[in-house]
Amino acid sequence: GQNIDQPTEMTATEGAIVQINCTYQTSGFNGLFWYQQHAGEAPTFLSYNVLDGLEEKGRFSSFLSRSKGYSYLLLKELQMKDSASYLCAVRDSNYQLIWGAGTKLIIKP
Amino acid sequence: EAGVAQSPRYKIIEKRQSVAFWCNPISGHATLYWYQQILGQGPKLLIQFQNNGVVDDSQLPKDRFSAERLKGVDSTLKIQPAKLEDSAVYLCASSLDVNQPQHFGDGTRLSIL
Repeated sequence: GQNIDQPTEMTATEGAIVQINCTYQTSGFNGLFWYQQHAGEAPTFLSYNVLDGLEEKGRFSSFLSRSKGYSYLLLKELQMKDSASYLCAVRDSNYQLIWGAGTKLIIKP
Repeated sequence: EAGVAQSPRYKIIEKRQSVAFWCNPISGHATLYWYQQILGQGPKLLIQFQNNGVVDDSQLPKDRFSAERLKGVDSTLKIQPAKLEDSAVYLCASSLDVNQPQHFGDGTRLSIL
């Protein structure tokens, strides 16, 4: 079966750095997405990785290792507004998105 | 650029009643998706359209759920009759094509009493 694993919940301090991990087992691989979802709102696109390595976009970076079936989202200089759920999704060989359950990130002052 | 529009934002109905949701994707987006998201879970794809054709509806409970995308633009998702387990947020998303990131609407929060 297809599976995406992420931690259920993480806590970090304002101004700090946090890394949210995602491991996957899917039928084929055609890219990995990270989305941010604030409570009661729709998911918003953060990043996309299809090749191994690090993609940096401002305070957010995303890393991919296809051989290990592993990705992480790195958030730097955390702000209170970063409190949200972070969803990892993998596009499989049929170009369907397989979604993880999301990691709820709690930022404390 | 206007985002994905969905209505209504909230809906409360009793079990066995019917309900319909509407979605207007971003202009020019050929691919449209309907997702069901239960609290604490990731979105679950119900149906995917490419223009006005169905690409994937393998997880759509076809005995009670139906969807259409007339003229390849707006789409409606219907549930008839509703069950208690249908309580969830129904998200519509669109993308330029299947290779591009999906952009989501604000969703419809459905409560079944």
